[in-house]
Amino acid sequence: ETGVTQTPRHLVMGMTNKKSLKCEQHLGHNAMYWYKQSAKKPLELMFVYNFKEQTENNSVPSRFSPECPNSSHLFLHLHTLQPEDSALYLCASSLIGGLSNSPLHFGNGTRLTVT
Amino acid sequence: DQQVKQNSPSLSVQEGRISILNCDYTNSMFDYFLWYKKYPAEGPTFLISISSIKDKNEDGRFTVFLNKSAKHLSLHIVPSQPGDSAVYFCAAALEGSQGNLIFGKGTKLSVKP
Repeated sequence: ETGVTQTPRHLVMGMTNKKSLKCEQHLGHNAMYWYKQSAKKPLELMFVYNFKEQTENNSVPSRFSPECPNSSHLFLHLHTLQPEDSALYLCASSLIGGLSNSPLHFGNGTRLTVT
Repeated sequence: DQQVKQNSPSLSVQEGRISILNCDYTNSMFDYFLWYKKYPAEGPTFLISISSIKDKNEDGRFTVFLNKSAKHLSLHIVPSQPGDSAVYFCAAALEGSQGNLIFGKGTKLSVKP
């Protein structure tokens, strides 16, 4: 149990579908993140929310749309994705964003396959 | 171009011996370095970190060494145990970078009984 729960664990979707990934943290953290891990590539930051405010959008295409209704919940809305978007999507949280010594706590990820 | 490099994709070590995982970086402005451990089907878990003002940090069997002049850090695990078998990611951060950790591609450690 990591304290960061992601659902679903696996998702297969067509290019015309709309789906959402959900993340919930029970650690009392104030910052939440979406990371992407593609095959044979390092983890890449997508979005950061600090106290519910988006503070970072790492040049992510608009077909990925994040939502952070409160400090405990984070969503990633997906629409008209491409097969190359297939990857492991990891949610993370930290006590405070922007402090390099505030380690990230990751969920177990959603394995997304776009057909 | 990758700013954080883990040049060894895999490492195999005998139980009880020392495991040394290496990481090189290119950005001299990084001020904090972290190691994460990842088991299959799980997310990465934080293992140990070091500030750029230090050259060594120890936590039980795990020690991280930082050589700023060489832009190199290493993680030492001693003694290695079979449960240490996992993928280890090196990550670097800039102060105020809003959690934008720059990760290496990882090294898969196998500890054989």
